[in-house]
Amino acid sequence: KNQVEQSPQSLIILEGKNCTLQCNYTVSPFSNLRWYKQDTGRGPVSLTIMTFSENTKSNGRYTATLDADTKQSSLHITASQLSDSASYICVVSPTSGTYKYIFGTGTRLKVLA
Amino acid sequence: KAGVTQTPRYLIKTRGQQVTLSCSPISGHRSVSWYQQTPGQGLQFLFEYFSETQRNKGNFPGRFSGRQFSNSRSEMNVSTLELGDSALYLCASSHGRANEQFFGPGTRLTVL
Repeated sequence: KNQVEQSPQSLIILEGKNCTLQCNYTVSPFSNLRWYKQDTGRGPVSLTIMTFSENTKSNGRYTATLDADTKQSSLHITASQLSDSASYICVVSPTSGTYKYIFGTGTRLKVLA
Repeated sequence: KAGVTQTPRYLIKTRGQQVTLSCSPISGHRSVSWYQQTPGQGLQFLFEYFSETQRNKGNFPGRFSGRQFSNSRSEMNVSTLELGDSALYLCASSHGRANEQFFGPGTRLTVL
């Protein structure tokens, strides 16, 4: 069964600190993996998108990595800001099957001043 | 270019009622997908429409239905509402079926 699991479920860090969110998936083969940021009560916004052959992709203070061998992806946030408080969702697109997107349940990040 | 818009943003209904939610995609986008998001389940795929035809459907009961109009605007309908239908309903549009999706702000449905 295709699954995407994220850890931790929630995380609290102090402003200015770095953090890393994890995404483990069993979806195979897949065409791309995305990380979304979702503010409370809003729709998700795309942060990064990586094809199966890419290892890393950056978007400002956000850096995503992908290890296709271990089927793991991580999202690293550098020098966190209060506005980084949100849910971060990992999404994998299988190349075949019923669903175009398999969503993780997300990591809820809270950045404190 | 305006983003995906959803109306209404908030809705309160009682059990047994029915509800219709609306989604206007980004101009030029022809694919619209609907998702249900609850705290415990995360994002669950409902259905996808492209060129007025349902192309894909998630694992939801027949009480959930949708349609797409010739201008790509889409509606979803939930009949005989249940308490468990309380959720954030998100619409996402893309230019084509294989392109990146852009999400709307969602409609928060509360069933009492």
